[in-house]
Amino acid sequence: SYELTQPPSVSVSPGQTASITCSGHKLGDKYASWYQQKPGQSPVLVIYQDTKRPSGIPERFSGSNSGNTATLTINGSQAMDEADYYCQAWDSSSVVFGGGTKLTVL
Amino acid sequence: QITLKESGPTLVKPTQTLTLTCTFSGFSLSTSGVGVGWIRQPPGKALEWLALIYWDDDKRYSPSLNSRLTVTKGTSKNQVVLTMTNMDPVDTATYYCTHRSGGQWLDYFDYWGQGTLVTVSS
Repeated sequence: SYELTQPPSVSVSPGQTASITCSGHKLGDKYASWYQQKPGQSPVLVIYQDTKRPSGIPERFSGSNSGNTATLTINGSQAMDEADYYCQAWDSSSVVFGGGTKLTVL
Repeated sequence: QITLKESGPTLVKPTQTLTLTCTFSGFSLSTSGVGVGWIRQPPGKALEWLALIYWDDDKRYSPSLNSRLTVTKGTSKNQVVLTMTNMDPVDTATYYCTHRSGGQWLDYFDYWGQGTLVTVSS
């Protein structure tokens, strides 16, 4: 079965750029989506179709996908961005999630 | 405004069957491209996709749980029902109902319910 691999944790200083990666075999040939989940809350879609932002998501969130890696980038990270982030893709009629990355802003 | 809400038992015994209902508003499951997905999250762990039902009644299941899952449209036009058989303590999780958008080879979940915690214990 298809697997998506994320680093368990990423740290970033306030105002700096955070990059969270998601790796999978030929992931660049698929579409990647990203979700943000804060403690005790339901996940929120922040990026879909590799690069698109839903309405209401700040411009500092962006995405890319090429080769075997999709990347979520947060420019000018803020304390409110501290959360768990999950990537997701579709493969062989199945939805797959990555294991999640805890982003710490400190 | 799209909303979804999960309902069902909070506690089930091992070997029992879990039945969860998703009641939604703000969209129609008859509209082309629309789907309702189920996703769960064990305490402190990652998201896990379970099932999807599409506007045309096509259904998809997690390969690892396929034999235990059934997703159907409810008797009410704004409901979807998920059943999971032979529940085990490892199935303890928050279960989310979601609105699916996308296209061919593209599924993403742009609206989520609040989730319902289901505990499996004797």
